This record gives sequence, C-alpha cells and structure tokens, in this order.
Amino acid sequence: GENVEQHPSTLSVQEGDSAVIKCTYSDSASNYFPWYKQELGKGPQLIIDIRSNVGEKKDQRIAVTLNKTAKHFSLHITETQPEDSAVYFCAATYNFNKFYFGSGTKLNVKP
Amino acid sequence: NAGVTQTPKFRILKIGQSMTLQCTQDMNHNYMYWYRQDPGMGLKLIYYSVGAGITDKGEVPNGYNVSRSTTEDFPLRLELAAPSQTSVYFCASRVGGGRAGELFFGEGSRLTVL
Repeated sequence: GENVEQHPSTLSVQEGDSAVIKCTYSDSASNYFPWYKQELGKGPQLIIDIRSNVGEKKDQRIAVTLNKTAKHFSLHITETQPEDSAVYFCAATYNFNKFYFGSGTKLNVKP
Repeated sequence: NAGVTQTPKFRILKIGQSMTLQCTQDMNHNYMYWYRQDPGMGLKLIYYSVGAGITDKGEVPNGYNVSRSTTEDFPLRLELAAPSQTSVYFCASRVGGGRAGELFFGEGSRLTVL
C-alpha cells in the first residue's frame, strides 16, 4: 500500500512568519492529496487539496504544491496567526477508497 | 446538521472486555471509515465501507470488526480488548461518487484498555 511520510513533526514559528510542511508518498498512482487541520479535541478538517493534474493551488494564506516526479507535496502557510496553531496532516489516495495519512505536524505560532 | 456523531467520547476497558464504538452520519454519505490515531503515528485506517452491506479492511484491521446495515450507521466492534488498542478512534464519512474527496470526521472516541 501507499506510504506517506511527513516532516517536520513539530514546527514553531513567530506570528507573521511563513510555515512549510512537507510530505512524500511512495505510490506513483496516487492522484489526490488533501491536507487536514486538527484542533485540540476535534476531528481533522479539510483545509486544502490538490489533484495530480495540478502543480499548485492557493486559498488565501494557504497553498499546496505538488511535484509528481519527486513524489512530494508541501503545505505553505503565509502570515501565520495564533489560530493557525494545530496539528496538520497530509494524505494521499489513488482510488478515493483508502486515504493514507502522514504522521502529523504540530504547528505552534507564537504571538 | 449534526454531521458525524461518535459515541462514547471516552471509555475505559479492562483487558479482554468487548465493546462497540458507535458512528452515525446524517449527510447521506455512501462512504464511511474508521481510523485510529496514536501519538506521532498519524491516522491509520482500520475498516471502511463503500455503502450499506459492503465493508473492507484497511491497514490495521486485526482485533476489530465492523458492519454496515444502514447508510447512516457504521459501528466498530472491539473483541477481547488489548492494551495495544488504547487509542483515539475517529469515524469519517465521504459523499463518494466521482472524485469528491473530502472526509468529514467525528470528534473522536478516546479508548483506554487497562
């Protein structure tokens, strides 16, 4: 099956700085890559996703990039705010049945 | 709209006991999933279902059973609980069809096996 690796496991930034979280995947057939944000005591929520036919996608302060050749994708958060503090998960799927998740990144935005 | 509802939120089990984690969704989603979340390990898929009457194994199915008799409900059964099953369990659903990928998660059920 698919194997998704995520780095770093923890990330601490100053408010207003940018944050980047990186993921790699093993199965070249994977074609959909979502990112989820999990706040304390809650279930994960989708914040952005990208399909394999697209190299980059933006939504206000967040963006995702995909490099199919290298089999890696990244989440970029600009102008970070304290409310961005959470655990972020990347995921990959090739058939939309099984979604394989990374191990998570705990982002701490210091005011 | 309640979304995905999980019960119980917390439970302590003794080794060898059995229990069922309940999950129900009111969005008429075809796909439902059970994940477990261990510290530093991300989310691992236990079982999933593509519709009523159809279930399939995920990455870590051993020690668990599921059933899907209705579109709304997808209970997860733990037989003979072991300390290794101490985890936070998340149920999720997806509308399915075409390439709609968003998973909607419940708030989780924290299970401790002592």
